[in-house]
Amino acid sequence: DIQMTQSPSFLSASVGDRVTINCKASQNINRYLNWYQQKLGEAPKLLIYNANSLQTGIPSRFSGSGSGTDFTLTISSLQPEDVATYFCLQHNSWPYTFGAGTKLELK
Amino acid sequence: EVQILETGGGLVKPGGSLRLSCATSGFNFNDYFMNWVRQAPGKGLEWVAQIRNKNYNYATYYAESLEGRVTISRDDSKSSVYLQVSSLRAEDTAIYYCTRSIIDYWGQGVMVTVSS
Repeated sequence: DIQMTQSPSFLSASVGDRVTINCKASQNINRYLNWYQQKLGEAPKLLIYNANSLQTGIPSRFSGSGSGTDFTLTISSLQPEDVATYFCLQHNSWPYTFGAGTKLELK
Repeated sequence: EVQILETGGGLVKPGGSLRLSCATSGFNFNDYFMNWVRQAPGKGLEWVAQIRNKNYNYATYYAESLEGRVTISRDDSKSSVYLQVSSLRAEDTAIYYCTRSIIDYWGQGVMVTVSS
């Protein structure tokens, strides 16, 4: 199975900060990497698909980059409503695997 | 608008079985693969199973940790997908989400609790 190592596990930042979250795959997954946001008590929501494509309706302050094994989710200017846990998912090969998550809080 | 609604969760005794249902609307169900993903309390996400569409002969794929105990199926006439889970264990306690395709849309999830 492909292991997805996500970092950091926990992140505290201020409104307006630039925030980056990383996922590293244990082998090449091309660009088959999604990013999700999960707020407390809610289902995850797709933010970015195929490494760098912004899902419809998602604010442009969210962006994704990377290919192969290293990927980054960037929030260009953190907003209070961005407090959530963020996950990555590789869908390059079976079984699909998720990162362990990054819990983002406001400082 | 894409809508996905799971039903069928609840409290089940260890060793029991459960069938989860997922009703969808707002998209051409026949065109899409469907998945089940689960999340144990306070834990991360685990992909459980996928069923492809008619073009791919309804091929199915399962997480190794569950293989032999789960069966995913679909009814294109009802735009619905199902997950049958048997020999339930405490570690199967989780929210089970029905998701579309490369996991772009999610239902709200249904809670399955395995406890005596």
